[in-house]
Amino acid sequence: KAGVTQTPRYLIKTRGQQVTLSCSPISGHRSVSWYQQTPGQGLQFLFEYFSETQRNKGNFPGRFSGRQFSNSRSEMNVSTLELGDSALYLCASKQGEAGELFFGEGSRLTVL
Amino acid sequence: AQSVTQLDSHVSVSEGTPVLLRCNYSSSYSPSLFWYVQHPNKGLQLLLKYTSAATLVKGINGFEAEFKKSETSFHLTKPSAHMSDAAEYFCVVSDLRGGADGLTFGKGTHLIIQP
Repeated sequence: KAGVTQTPRYLIKTRGQQVTLSCSPISGHRSVSWYQQTPGQGLQFLFEYFSETQRNKGNFPGRFSGRQFSNSRSEMNVSTLELGDSALYLCASKQGEAGELFFGEGSRLTVL
Repeated sequence: AQSVTQLDSHVSVSEGTPVLLRCNYSSSYSPSLFWYVQHPNKGLQLLLKYTSAATLVKGINGFEAEFKKSETSFHLTKPSAHMSDAAEYFCVVSDLRGGADGLTFGKGTHLIIQP
């Protein structure tokens, strides 16, 4: 069974640009969550999608958005990039409400 | 509200010696507790989880953790460290719902294994 797949793995952008990251969950998993990981703030919850609906949202500005498609694949978008958005963005999927989270390897974004 | 504190940001042990990574938590509900490991440039992998069954939980790669409600602790241990154990370890607490929004991650403990 394939794991959680995130693309791209690495990318470099400049301030003011926008970026879209993609996540394919494990087959059969309907919940997809996104996290931002930085050395200073650690792991912070961005949002969770379940059956194409945003179920929960963390404390991030509106520049951060996401969506989920009918096949459970998810994308997150960050507009008007700032230097502080440089981070490892992790996607995780799970099967049920109390299921274990399975993480992808992340997309490392560098903003110059 | 829930919170989790990993008491050590870095732990260094010699290969073959015991490992102890400390975690304290607070939760308004009956918590579920997890330990995840992250190797460099990788995602997080679940080591073990406590969900109100046995208080001593065994995980992968020889790790185990004991839930102590009176001490609000969930320390991670391993009898004998291996070089491949060098990684970042995260203690995670979840409220009764167990949903992603209910997860709180610790700041992480960097485990260094000396040869």
